[in-house]
Amino acid sequence: DVKVTQSSRYLVKRTGEKVFLECVQDMDHENMFWYRQDPGLGLRLIYFSYDVKMKEKGDIPEGYSVSREKKERFSLILESASTNQTSMYLCASSPGGQGNNIQYFGAGTRLSVL
Amino acid sequence: GESVGLHLPTLSVQEGDNSIINCAYSNSASDYFIWYKQESGKGPQFIIDIRSNMDKRQGQRVTVLLNKTVKHLSLQIAATQPGDSAVYFCAENPQINTNAGKSTFGDGTTLTVKP
Repeated sequence: DVKVTQSSRYLVKRTGEKVFLECVQDMDHENMFWYRQDPGLGLRLIYFSYDVKMKEKGDIPEGYSVSREKKERFSLILESASTNQTSMYLCASSPGGQGNNIQYFGAGTRLSVL
Repeated sequence: GESVGLHLPTLSVQEGDNSIINCAYSNSASDYFIWYKQESGKGPQFIIDIRSNMDKRQGQRVTVLLNKTVKHLSLQIAATQPGDSAVYFCAENPQINTNAGKSTFGDGTTLTVKP
């Protein structure tokens, strides 16, 4: 079974702090994604990566950055956390290649910024 | 622009009844669609997919129907059970070889199964 592990289930941070959300997948997937999930807004793509050291902006990248130094790990960074970044963050991976678009999700990290 | 939408944000059904969850999409170039289920406290999980060269695909108790003419797909769940209570997302995918497998997700429909 594909396993996507997010390092924390719950995080509480203060405004202005630098926050790291870590995600690891164990199936050698090419693609990795970070989403945020808010009530009534569905899943919104923040950033994605289709290869090591490669990244592309999603629909809402402002206030975030990412790092993919190794294939299995994709980190989301909040450079200076703000209260409007309080949300559920979901990481996903997919195999890549033709037709391999099914995404496998982690359990999520619920971040509260105070 | 691209958008994927679900017709109803919530759906309540009686246990044992059939459920139908609808999804409309706007990008006529999309050729691959996926349904995900998200249970409380978990990330979304793959249920079933369908390619644009098909109009129906069946799984275990689930069926996905695709109508490309009106850009609509639906997820049918037969004999709905309490364990089916979850949020259901449809996801639209561009043509193969574009966008590194990036999907556009709908807003989700919350299915509640009443005993």
